[in-house]
Amino acid sequence: DAKTTQPPSMDCAEGRAANLPCNHSTISGNEYVYWYRQIHSQGPQYIIHGLKNNETNEMASLIITEDRKSSTLILPHATLRDTAVYYCIAPYGGSQGNLIFGKGTKLSVKP
Amino acid sequence: EPEVTQTPSHQVTQMGQEVILRCVPISNHLYFYWYRQILGQKVEFLVSFYNNEISEKSEIFDDQFSVERPDGSNFTLKIRSTKLEDSAMYFCASSVWASGGLLTDTQYFGPGTRLTVL
Repeated sequence: DAKTTQPPSMDCAEGRAANLPCNHSTISGNEYVYWYRQIHSQGPQYIIHGLKNNETNEMASLIITEDRKSSTLILPHATLRDTAVYYCIAPYGGSQGNLIFGKGTKLSVKP
Repeated sequence: EPEVTQTPSHQVTQMGQEVILRCVPISNHLYFYWYRQILGQKVEFLVSFYNNEISEKSEIFDDQFSVERPDGSNFTLKIRSTKLEDSAMYFCASSVWASGGLLTDTQYFGPGTRLTVL
């Protein structure tokens, strides 16, 4: 089973920042946190990952708390196309890197 | 930008028939995966494959399933005798490596094949 906890759903107004939280209290010191999203029934799409420092790329920012027990994915200016299920995955996976998906957070961006 | 491709996009088959789902991973990737997602449920890991052999498999991946890399570009999932409960989206993924956290470990997913078993 997934070792993360995410709210089942969230709404965000178009153009505003979407902040998606994730609890991963059992993560150990060298285990990464990854975020993926799935738009409708398409294949999961990689967004960002991090270990302990905050990370930013062209899609999003990832804020990891100092104790590493939780993180927040930030979409700075959400658009309608960001409506998707967002998955926080931590730790990354099994011995060969298989991903364990939870139910994720269904983000609805509204005009 | 390189991407994982899958064919067909939709496969309809009769119960008991064999199906082969095809994937072309990203060309410099070394690890390959299959996942499935039954409608309305979570994405579930099936199998990982490296160096022409299975690295890890889940309980779902029973004797009815097999994987193969028949040539330098394709990666296939075969279901020998399909059941109604095999109806799902099947996603192929690939990564350069699989050590657990480097950017090279990032798995990139294909668009999926929707399998419908009647």
